[in-house]
Amino acid sequence: DAEITQSPRHKITETGRQVTLACHQTWNHNNMFWYRQDLGHGLRLIHYSYGVQDTNKGEVSDGYSVSRSNTEDLPLTLESAASSQTSVYFCASSLGLSDGEKLFFGSGTQLSVL
Amino acid sequence: AQTVTQSQPEMSVQEAETVTLSCTYDTSENNYYLFWYKQPPSRQMILVIRQEAYKQQNATENRFSVNFQKAAKSFSLKISDSQLGDTAMYFCAFMKKNAGNNRKLIWGLGTSLAVNP
Repeated sequence: DAEITQSPRHKITETGRQVTLACHQTWNHNNMFWYRQDLGHGLRLIHYSYGVQDTNKGEVSDGYSVSRSNTEDLPLTLESAASSQTSVYFCASSLGLSDGEKLFFGSGTQLSVL
Repeated sequence: AQTVTQSQPEMSVQEAETVTLSCTYDTSENNYYLFWYKQPPSRQMILVIRQEAYKQQNATENRFSVNFQKAAKSFSLKISDSQLGDTAMYFCAFMKKNAGNNRKLIWGLGTSLAVNP
């Protein structure tokens, strides 16, 4: 069955370190998204991609970067981790308009920056 | 700018009873999608139900149904015959249709639903 996988499930790191969170989907979806979820803020969009070599900034993109070299993967990199980036991170993918913009989510990565 | 408001941070219901979660939104668009997503304790977000604004008929998925009031900009979720597995955070979300490369979901802050035995 097709799926979307995030790794690691939990990560603890120190401030200033570079961290990369992996996202891999086997749906063959062109659209991929990274969100962070924080109490009181709900889900906020970090970056998104509508296809290979395409990346776009979301509403909270500062301190984060992504690259899309193939259809299946959209890794999220924290260039220099800060305590404010402690959060749960979700990757999602979609087929787009032809599928009614339905999003499929990964199980999330709990990131703690100490 | 579009906004989505879920006015009930927490709710509870007895098993087998019916509960309604409210969602209101603000938009000047005429063509859009509305969604309800469920996030159980396992954390993975799952689509519960979806409504297209141009469709007057309310969407239904088994025990889940919506009351879509376009003029009032209201999109409530009704869960019938509540089950313990319905315990989760529920998020309402909005997306403009045919937005090209600006297809972004606008999320509410969620309602935490507890189903009690």
